[in-house]
Amino acid sequence: LAKTTQPISMDSYEGQEVNITCSHNNIATNDYITWYQQFPSQGPRFIIQGYKTKVTNEVASLFIPADRKSSTLSLPRVSLSDTAVYYCLVGGKLIFGQGTELSVKP
Amino acid sequence: NAGVTQTPKFQVLKTGQSMTLQCAQDMNHEYMSWYRQDPGMGLRLIHYSVGAGITDQGEVPNGYNVSRSTTEDFPLRLLSAAPSQTSVYFCASSYSGLAGRPSYEQYFGPGTRLTVT
Repeated sequence: LAKTTQPISMDSYEGQEVNITCSHNNIATNDYITWYQQFPSQGPRFIIQGYKTKVTNEVASLFIPADRKSSTLSLPRVSLSDTAVYYCLVGGKLIFGQGTELSVKP
Repeated sequence: NAGVTQTPKFQVLKTGQSMTLQCAQDMNHEYMSWYRQDPGMGLRLIHYSVGAGITDQGEVPNGYNVSRSTTEDFPLRLLSAAPSQTSVYFCASSYSGLAGRPSYEQYFGPGTRLTVT
């Protein structure tokens, strides 16, 4: 199983763009990369998924370089309500790591 | 659709007691799973099921049993509760993706907060 490494925490201010990078050196050929968001006392919520290059939806963008050994979740113009833990997952068994705790300040 | 529902929301057990955490989904998802989340930690996979009658172990299966007799329900049984099982338990479901793997978009329930004293 591909192991993922993310920063434990990040701070940002309202209106800024936030980029959270995840390292996954042992990603397998067939593995997709998925990001989840979790607010306190709630279950995680799917944000975005990708295989290569760039994926964008109404919430975020996901950038994946050609070697696929890392990926970057980009949150444009964050607000206070984006304060949450963000998890990067790789592969089919959906193993969650510790995630990145994002704190957005006014 | 109600989505993924879990009962109870809160539970306190004494060491050695047994109980079943209930999970149901009404989205006709093939794949269901159970996770536990300890304070300040990520989620750890306990057991999962790729369809009715089929279950498999995750990262931390010891002390837990599961069965999947219907597509909708996936109960988690604690055989003899221990303080180390104090945690928040999340159930999730998704469609099956390629080659029987789960779709990466899982839907999570609201969680059951369990305390074992």
